[in-house]
Amino acid sequence: EAAVTQSPRNKVAVTGGKVTLSCNQTNNHNNMYWYRQDTGHGLRLIHYSYGAGSTEKGDIPDGYKASRPSQENFSLILELATPSQTSVYFCASGDPQAYSGNTLYFGEGSRLIVV
Amino acid sequence: QQKVQQSPESLTVSEGAMASLNCTFSDGTSNNFRWYRQHSAKGLEVLVSIFSDGEKEEGRFTAHLNRANLHVSLHIREPQPSDSAVYLCAVKDTNAYKVIFGKGTHLHVLP
Repeated sequence: EAAVTQSPRNKVAVTGGKVTLSCNQTNNHNNMYWYRQDTGHGLRLIHYSYGAGSTEKGDIPDGYKASRPSQENFSLILELATPSQTSVYFCASGDPQAYSGNTLYFGEGSRLIVV
Repeated sequence: QQKVQQSPESLTVSEGAMASLNCTFSDGTSNNFRWYRQHSAKGLEVLVSIFSDGEKEEGRFTAHLNRANLHVSLHIREPQPSDSAVYLCAVKDTNAYKVIFGKGTHLHVLP
């Protein structure tokens, strides 16, 4: 079965500090995504990648960087964390190539609190 | 970019009664729609995928798609308290790599 694992699951960070959220998938999917979920906003796309070495900006990329060093791993980096980045972050993988593709498989989420 | 809206925001039904959730989208050229379920801020699980107008059933979950009306719905037959969760509509954007989500419907199933 598809598996996407995120770490850390919970994190408290200091304003101005650096935070790295990691994601690993064993699905061999080309595409990976980072979303954040906030009350009133639903799921919003931050960055995505369509393969190792590629990163693309989503709808709300400001304040975030992404890194895709391999097919399996996709990281979200907050260089200077701010309280407005307090949220639950979800990583997902998917394969859009087939007509019926793009089912996304999600991790369990990473809860980040910036104080 | 595709705009996706869901209604109602919250829905309470009794166990065994049909639950119906709605989703509207802005671009009828998409042909790739899914309904996901999320329990208590955990990860999402896909319930049903639909790619053409009409109906698609997966167990107790049935999706109806009408692209001319920019509408896709989810019907849950004989809902149980364990079905209490947030249900999200997802539409594949014209950009093939992007999937746009609605804000979700909170479903509460009373025993």
